[in-house]
Amino acid sequence: RKEVEQDPGPFNVPEGATVAFNCTYSNSASQSFFWYRQDCRKEPKLLMSVYSSGNEDGRFTAQLNRASQYISLLIRDSKLSDSATYLCVASYGGATNKLIFGTGTLLAVQP
Amino acid sequence: SQTIHQWPATLVQPVGSPLSLECTVEGTSNPNLYWYRQAAGRGLQLLFYSVGIGQISSEVPQNLSASRPQDRQFILSSKKLLLSDSGFYLCAWAKQGQPQHFGDGTRLSIL
Repeated sequence: RKEVEQDPGPFNVPEGATVAFNCTYSNSASQSFFWYRQDCRKEPKLLMSVYSSGNEDGRFTAQLNRASQYISLLIRDSKLSDSATYLCVASYGGATNKLIFGTGTLLAVQP
Repeated sequence: SQTIHQWPATLVQPVGSPLSLECTVEGTSNPNLYWYRQAAGRGLQLLFYSVGIGQISSEVPQNLSASRPQDRQFILSSKKLLLSDSGFYLCAWAKQGQPQHFGDGTRLSIL
């Protein structure tokens, strides 16, 4: 079983739609969680951290449920520029700060 | 502000040739440094990480090695490349407890 699992998609949605991505992690020792965005043939870029209380950054909302070991990302009012692969990431923290990446969910926003 | 530089951006090498990829970080001191590989259509795989000069931890057995000769320099090497070494190589840095930030990556093709 993968440590971080995501639906690979693709998610094809029209502009303006709301789309939700889900992610589960298997190691309860994971301390921090993030969503990264990766454009085709580019490096991953940090989109947002995920906090237990839930957090919002503009059109993006992230949620964490430690009891269920579940993370989500909600994108409202999708833009064409949101098309990318979204990577769910768990960190064990500590001195090494190692990250475990999901394989990503591909989002294609259609005009 | 902190920046991370990786080079070269692309590289085509014959099987059996040596490899040296370099990564440098500016604007911070004593960062954690990481090397990842992303095979086509696959997730990111952590290859090596370093918490300090001369300190290298390997995550998976492989044909590659890493070195950290200076605080902000991280080098990925191989004495003899295999076809299976093809992929997108990414260097990242982080301070303890903070998200990782990636370089632009090196796309390596082995012929």
